[in-house]
Amino acid sequence: GAVVSQHPSWVICKSGTSVKIECRSLDFQATTMFWYRQFPKQSLMLMATSNEGSKATYEQGVEKDKFLINHASLTLSTLTVTSAHPEDSSFYICSATIVSGSYEQYFGPGTRLTVT
Amino acid sequence: DAKTTQPPSMDCAEGRAANLPCNHSTISGNEYVYWYRQIHSQGPQYIIHGLKNNETNEMASLIITEDRKSSTLILPHATLRDTAVYYCIVRALNTGNQFYFGTGTSLTVIP
Repeated sequence: GAVVSQHPSWVICKSGTSVKIECRSLDFQATTMFWYRQFPKQSLMLMATSNEGSKATYEQGVEKDKFLINHASLTLSTLTVTSAHPEDSSFYICSATIVSGSYEQYFGPGTRLTVT
Repeated sequence: DAKTTQPPSMDCAEGRAANLPCNHSTISGNEYVYWYRQIHSQGPQYIIHGLKNNETNEMASLIITEDRKSSTLILPHATLRDTAVYYCIVRALNTGNQFYFGTGTSLTVIP
């Protein structure tokens, strides 16, 4: 149980275009999902917290107009990287919280974005 | 959330116990200790968590000191597939549930 999927697993796009990444909780409902970014040889950096039916909360320094997050249902959150640039190339990872017990997070497999 | 300190890297012989330390000297009474690991180019995997008592599951054991200022994750019989970056995170339950990852410990299991 507690499986989180991401789609696509990797994507290459041209500079200036937008890319949407999906995060789904497959066997549980997640009122809260999180988006992280990870550059090579670095740790995960929290970008935003996404609550179902409400606006996402972005961490300091993360541009909300560039990284659009939509959490339309209890099993789906999307991250859209708008007007992508090569410096947006990174590994994007989502996670979801089961709202019970000790609130551990379950992570998706990640999406590798390369902007050319 | 409390800050954690972990050694940047460790080696362990295959079949031996891997003991990964974590310092969290500013931990608050309502903060749990969580351990996750990340194998290269994958999402982090939950390992174990605890508040004050030692915990054990099928993957590992978590030993928390009595003053809760440090903890140790123990992989009892390390295998090559345990090679990964291990993250120790402390977090309270009433803070929006965010996890803030530190730099972690890169564990290499040697044949």
